[in-house]
Amino acid sequence: QVQLQESGPGLVKPSQTLSLTCSVSGGSISSGTYYWSWIRQYPGKGLEWIGYIYYSGTTYYNPSLKSRVTISVDTSENQFSLKVSSVTAADTAVYYCARVFQGFGPRFEYWGQGTLVTVSS
Amino acid sequence: ESVVTQSPGTLSLSPGERATLSCRASQSVSSSYVAWYQQKPGQAPRLLIYGASSRASGIPDRFSGSGSGTDFTLTISRLEPEDFAVYFCQHYGSSPPLYTFGPGTKVDIK
Repeated sequence: QVQLQESGPGLVKPSQTLSLTCSVSGGSISSGTYYWSWIRQYPGKGLEWIGYIYYSGTTYYNPSLKSRVTISVDTSENQFSLKVSSVTAADTAVYYCARVFQGFGPRFEYWGQGTLVTVSS
Repeated sequence: ESVVTQSPGTLSLSPGERATLSCRASQSVSSSYVAWYQQKPGQAPRLLIYGASSRASGIPDRFSGSGSGTDFTLTISRLEPEDFAVYFCQHYGSSPPLYTFGPGTKVDIK
């Protein structure tokens, strides 16, 4: 059973960079079948896809965030990471990492438990 | 970019009743690109349906999905106590890749 676990600071100051890591267990991040994604959920409960990465390093980002987001992968550690630069209060959300099946019926199959990131001085 | 809406916002039903949740896309989408998730308080969303009508592993057969074009439906045939939750639909756009979620429908106990 694949498990994902987010980690990182729960509090980030405005204008700084938010950094989170997702550790994957129960399966290799280098499996060619899947992409690895970040999704966030605002306090009002709306979900927003941030982007995803393939084990080779190929990335796709939501155009609404593309200028501020970087997703990277470390296959040796079976982890992938998210950086969001120049954060504001609007970036306060629960951040989830997830495994994406990108074949027939693209979908988020497995999710981490989520981590709340608050942007505040 | 396709906008995804869901209705109703809240559905108040009793255990044993049938729930019908609607998801509408602003542009016609391939049915293979629609999925549904269930979320309970304090938990991550859980995949229920993909490809508009295929149940994910371990999902009871009281959950079913249907639809095509711009209109998709999640049906829960007989509500169990554990089914009271928020349900999100998700659409995938392939060029460029973009996942979009609806705002959710809350199914609560009447």
